[in-house]
Amino acid sequence: DVKVTQSSRYLVKRTGEKVFLECVQDMDHENMFWYRQDPGLGLRLIYFSYDVKMKEKGDIPEGYSVSREKKERFSLILESASTNQTSMYLCASSFFRVSTDTQYFGPGTRLTVL
Amino acid sequence: KQEVTQIPAALSVPEGENLVLNCSFTDSAIYNLQWFRQDPGKGLTSLLLIQSSQREQTSGRLNASLDKSSGRSTLYIAASQPGDSATYLCAVRHPESQGGSEKLVFGKGTKLTVNP
Repeated sequence: DVKVTQSSRYLVKRTGEKVFLECVQDMDHENMFWYRQDPGLGLRLIYFSYDVKMKEKGDIPEGYSVSREKKERFSLILESASTNQTSMYLCASSFFRVSTDTQYFGPGTRLTVL
Repeated sequence: KQEVTQIPAALSVPEGENLVLNCSFTDSAIYNLQWFRQDPGKGLTSLLLIQSSQREQTSGRLNASLDKSSGRSTLYIAASQPGDSATYLCAVRHPESQGGSEKLVFGKGTKLTVNP
């Protein structure tokens, strides 16, 4: 079974803190994604990566950065957390450019910024 | 820009009823369409994936159809059970011009409650 794990289920941080959200997948997937999910707005893509050290902006990259030093790990970084970044963050992975395959999601991290 | 709409936003039915969830998308140039299930506070689980060349897919009590030309998909759930209560999300995978990326574009979901 494909497994995508996220470092924390719940996280509480203060405004201005630097926050790291970690995601690890065990299926040797090339693609990895970070989404945020908010009521009434649905899932929105923040950043994605096709390969190690590669990254591309999604629909809402402002206020975020990412790091992919190893194929299995994709980190989302909030350089200076703000209250409007309180949200559910979901990581996903998939095989590279295989249109027949789905994205596999992690359990999510509920981040609260006070 | 691809947009995905799901109607209704919420649905409450008695146990045993057959039901249909709807999904529509604005750009028919898709690779595939997927239905996901999300339980409260959890991640997404893929239920069914329909390729653009297919008309439907079935898994147990679930049947998903795709009409690409009209930009519509339906998820049919037969003999609903309380355990089916969850939010159901529709997503289309379509090509992006930038770098050949293939993005998933999600609808906002239908929250289903099946009452015992």
